[in-house]
Amino acid sequence: AIRMTQSPSSLSASTGDRVTITCRASQDISTYLAWYQQKPGKAPELLIFAASTMQSGVPSRFSGTGSGTDFTLTISCLQSEDFATYFCQQYYNYPRTFGQGTTVEIK
Amino acid sequence: EVQLVESGGGLVHPGGSLRLSCATSGFTFSNYWMSWVRQAPGKGLEWVANIKEDGSEKYYVDSVSGRFTISRDNAKNSLYLEMNSLRAEDTALYYCARDIWVVSGPSPPDVWGKGTTVTVSS
Repeated sequence: AIRMTQSPSSLSASTGDRVTITCRASQDISTYLAWYQQKPGKAPELLIFAASTMQSGVPSRFSGTGSGTDFTLTISCLQSEDFATYFCQQYYNYPRTFGQGTTVEIK
Repeated sequence: EVQLVESGGGLVHPGGSLRLSCATSGFTFSNYWMSWVRQAPGKGLEWVANIKEDGSEKYYVDSVSGRFTISRDNAKNSLYLEMNSLRAEDTALYYCARDIWVVSGPSPPDVWGKGTTVTVSS
């Protein structure tokens, strides 16, 4: 199975900060990479797919880049509603696999 | 409005069985791949299985292969997960999810239900 490794596992940031989360795949997955946001007690919500395509309704402060094995999710100007856990997922092959998650906390 | 509503979770003894259901509405169910994803308490997400639009292809994570069966009834707009030989490590919140519609190629889930809880314990 393809291993997805996110870094950092957690981070503390302030409203207005620029935040970058990294996801590394253990093998080339082209751009078959999605990013999800999950808030406590809620289901995940899709932010980005195909590494850089924003899901409809997602604020433009979220962006994704990368291809091959290295990917990033950037939040350009952190808002209060962005404090959550973020997961990457590869869908290049089976089994689909997720990163372990990155929790963005209030500094 | 697209809706996915899971049911069928509960407390079961190790070795037991459960059948999860996911009732869907607000979209043409038969046009979409569907998935099950689970999340153990306090842990990350684990993809479990998915099924093609017509049910002709099914894929599983190794840890459930041979014990779980994904199926669908397009006439009832419903997705199912039959779980047998349950283990403590199967304890999780199980989400039903719709995969993004694409002309061809793989796609990730874009819409998720709220989940149903499965607890495997003696």
